[in-house]
Amino acid sequence: RKEVEQDPGPFNVPEGATVAFNCTYSNSASQSFFWYRQDCRKEPKLLMSVYSSGNEDGRFTAQLNRASQYISLLIRDSKLSDSATYLCVVKGATNKLIFGTGTLLAVQP
Amino acid sequence: NAGVTQTPKFRILKIGQSMTLQCTQDMNHNYMYWYRQDPGMGLKLIYYSVGAGITDKGEVPNGYNVSRSTTEDFPLRLELAAPSQTSVYFCASSYTNKNTEAFFGQGTRLTVV
Repeated sequence: RKEVEQDPGPFNVPEGATVAFNCTYSNSASQSFFWYRQDCRKEPKLLMSVYSSGNEDGRFTAQLNRASQYISLLIRDSKLSDSATYLCVVKGATNKLIFGTGTLLAVQP
Repeated sequence: NAGVTQTPKFRILKIGQSMTLQCTQDMNHNYMYWYRQDPGMGLKLIYYSVGAGITDKGEVPNGYNVSRSTTEDFPLRLELAAPSQTSVYFCASSYTNKNTEAFFGQGTRLTVV
């Protein structure tokens, strides 16, 4: 079983839509959780950290369920500029930073 | 601040050649990481380091070696290059605190022919 699993997509949505991405992780000792964004042929960049109580940053909401070992990202009112690959990232107790395979989002005009 | 700098940006190697991918950061980060990303795939961890003199294997270490003699530098060595090592290589660094962001270099695109 992969340490971090994501639906690879692609997700094709119209502008203004709400879209949700899911991620599961296998190591219950994992300590920190993140969503990164990667544009085509570019380096990944941090979108947001994910906290146990859930957190929001503008149109983006992240949730963590430790019991189910599940992380989610919700994007409201999608923009064309949101088109990218969204990477779920987990940091374990040994400080390894493990990436999921990524979910491709294409927002259509 | 330059952040994380990787060199070279592009390289073509012949099968069996060796090379070193350079990575340096000027943010005084303790943690550094090397990843490879194959087309259409996620990032796979090759090696990582939690400080100078300490390195550990990641998910796909075979065919690679690393060293961490200083806080700033974390070079990745490819010995006897193989076509399976054709990939984009990313170096990253972060602070020690568990919730801190990892910063990435712009990547090295390597082709082995």
